[in-house]
Amino acid sequence: EPEVTQTPSHQVTQMGQEVILRCVPISNHLYFYWYRQILGQKVEFLVSFYNNEISEKSEIFDDQFSVERPDGSNFTLKIRSTKLEDSAMYFCASKGHPNSIEQYFGPGTRLTVT
Amino acid sequence: DAKTTQPNSMESNEEEPVHLPCNHSTISGTDYIHWYRQLPSQGPEYVIHGLTSNVNNRMASLAIAEDRKSSTLILHRATLRDAAVYYCIPEKPRGNEKLTFGTGTRLTIIP
Repeated sequence: EPEVTQTPSHQVTQMGQEVILRCVPISNHLYFYWYRQILGQKVEFLVSFYNNEISEKSEIFDDQFSVERPDGSNFTLKIRSTKLEDSAMYFCASKGHPNSIEQYFGPGTRLTVT
Repeated sequence: DAKTTQPNSMESNEEEPVHLPCNHSTISGTDYIHWYRQLPSQGPEYVIHGLTSNVNNRMASLAIAEDRKSSTLILHRATLRDAAVYYCIPEKPRGNEKLTFGTGTRLTIIP
């Protein structure tokens, strides 16, 4: 069964450093998402991406965040200058086509900012 | 976004049916009712969705009230693997809709 993959599974970085979280969505999917979950809290929407541009972003997704689909298979989330409060699980998700309902989530990347 | 209310936690014995309720009294007429679950240390996983009629799939059944202000996810025979946090999420389908997760119901299965 096709699945969304994410790398790395765990990233440790120092405050102020840039990190890039990588996702490989399911092949032929058209819609891509990033969510995050701070330990013990809700899963929060960050951004959706379709047709090579951002469709919607949340208040969390400020100028420090960016997304890219560099090569037709990867979907990346970059945090330019990490803060302690960016420590969280980051989940990538993808969806097939406009009429499909199900979002497929990856296993997540645990980001720890020290 | 429609507001949802779910019990914080529920327990069930293994191999018994589980009924997980959700109130979504502010749901709009075009919102689908999605259910996702999150197993420990994993990403969310789609379970089922519906609009008005009751729905069945290999994982679960979804019973939707006639006024659509509440729904119930039914696991017919819970296994230990069904221990997870279950979320109901009303959302309008518009292609790139985001999912707004609440706190969900933490389901514990007792062996």
